[in-house]
Amino acid sequence: QSALTQPASVSGSPGQSITISCTGTSSDVGGYHYVSWYQQHPGKAPKLLIYEVSNRPSGVSNRFSGSKSGNTASLTISGLQAEDEADYFCSSYTTTSTTVFGTGTKVTVL
Amino acid sequence: QVQLQESGPGLVKPSETLSLTCTVSGGSVSSSNYYWSWIRQPPGKGLEWIGYLYYTGTTNYNPSLKSRVTISVDTSKNQFSLKLNSVTAADTAVYYCARGILVITTTSGAFDIWGQGTMVTVSS
Repeated sequence: QSALTQPASVSGSPGQSITISCTGTSSDVGGYHYVSWYQQHPGKAPKLLIYEVSNRPSGVSNRFSGSKSGNTASLTISGLQAEDEADYFCSSYTTTSTTVFGTGTKVTVL
Repeated sequence: QVQLQESGPGLVKPSETLSLTCTVSGGSVSSSNYYWSWIRQPPGKGLEWIGYLYYTGTTNYNPSLKSRVTISVDTSKNQFSLKLNSVTAADTAVYYCARGILVITTTSGAFDIWGQGTMVTVSS
């Protein structure tokens, strides 16, 4: 299975909104409503931000939102803050009941 | 709350078997609402899903690792384990255990609880 494609880096100024894309195929992102997003700070374990495309776990800021169109899912961070500087990964369920992760995006707050 | 903790050797020789255990505390590995996965991350790289196990013993593995991987469960100890054989330097990574959310019978790929991770280096 091939990794989902994400931009290597995205940057924005405090207060701005940024969007990270996650592109797969009809065998993963496009075929199911099971896309998740994770935030990972250096040296830390990933943290679940979004599941089932657009749902936020309890305790996750509503500045994080998810969506999907066709084979591409997106994570939007609104009101960018310094603490949002981290790596972000998407993941998707696949036709063979496996999970595939995205290549990862480094978010820089200018 | 539920916590996961990985344990095992930090150094493994090439061609040998990497063995790690994940201990679940504050919850049960036998829960019907969750499944249990291993995920790894080579230094400076992205996440790679290794495989999952459901408490009934049902497993599924990343096709690229399937021939070398076994994930098993010990419900009496509330643990699940990873064995990866014939390791090479390419298997050097931080290994995470994680809890996955089941949606009816679908392994959704949403991992809501992670262990802190354990670094495993493959070197002679």
